[in-house]
Amino acid sequence: GESVGLHLPTLSVQEGDNSIINCAYSNSASDYFIWYKQESGKGPQFIIDIRSNMDKRQGQRVTVLLNKTVKHLSLQIAATQPGDSAVYFCAENSGGSNYKLTFGKGTLLTVNP
Amino acid sequence: DTGVSQDPRHKITKRGQNVTFRCDPISEHNRLYWYRQTLGQGPEFLTYFQNEAQLEKSRLLSDRFSAERPKGSFSTLEIQRTEQGDSAMYLCASSPQNTGELFFGEGSRLTVL
Repeated sequence: GESVGLHLPTLSVQEGDNSIINCAYSNSASDYFIWYKQESGKGPQFIIDIRSNMDKRQGQRVTVLLNKTVKHLSLQIAATQPGDSAVYFCAENSGGSNYKLTFGKGTLLTVNP
Repeated sequence: DTGVSQDPRHKITKRGQNVTFRCDPISEHNRLYWYRQTLGQGPEFLTYFQNEAQLEKSRLLSDRFSAERPKGSFSTLEIQRTEQGDSAMYLCASSPQNTGELFFGEGSRLTVL
């Protein structure tokens, strides 16, 4: 039978729309969070990070929001483009200065032209 | 190309055989990480080096797995007596000191028949 692990959360958007990808993290002691983008057949690529003393950080077309009260992280992508189609992972650091990252399950973003 | 490089990109082997993967990190990065990723899942931490010292190993890393970074530059990950459950993508990442921004390679995909 098919593994539960194959059922990635998915988000399908139209080109030009804004995308919001959500992530719930597990460790309240985590002090650093990163979003990675992974295209098919490639390694994860850093997008944006945020430390636990912040609740919002903006990059180029991307914004990360952190809500420590409910242990929730979100990635907002403005004016989504077909090249944004990929799997997006949030990762948390609970390893202190070792930066041993724990990755979430991932969300598949599909951008329709 | 000055990114993280991994070799081989694909390896097909029979159960019981030994395999070795190599990772060449970005040259000025003193931290090197190995992760494993199965289909539909996020990467899982395996082990971490700072220079030539292996500072942490995951419980996922059974006795059949060994990693080295003898001169603090490239690293190897060896899997002895491979099992079908070892089939996965093995990702290497490197980072400079005191940053959580990991730079991933393209991965080495292992298929155990």
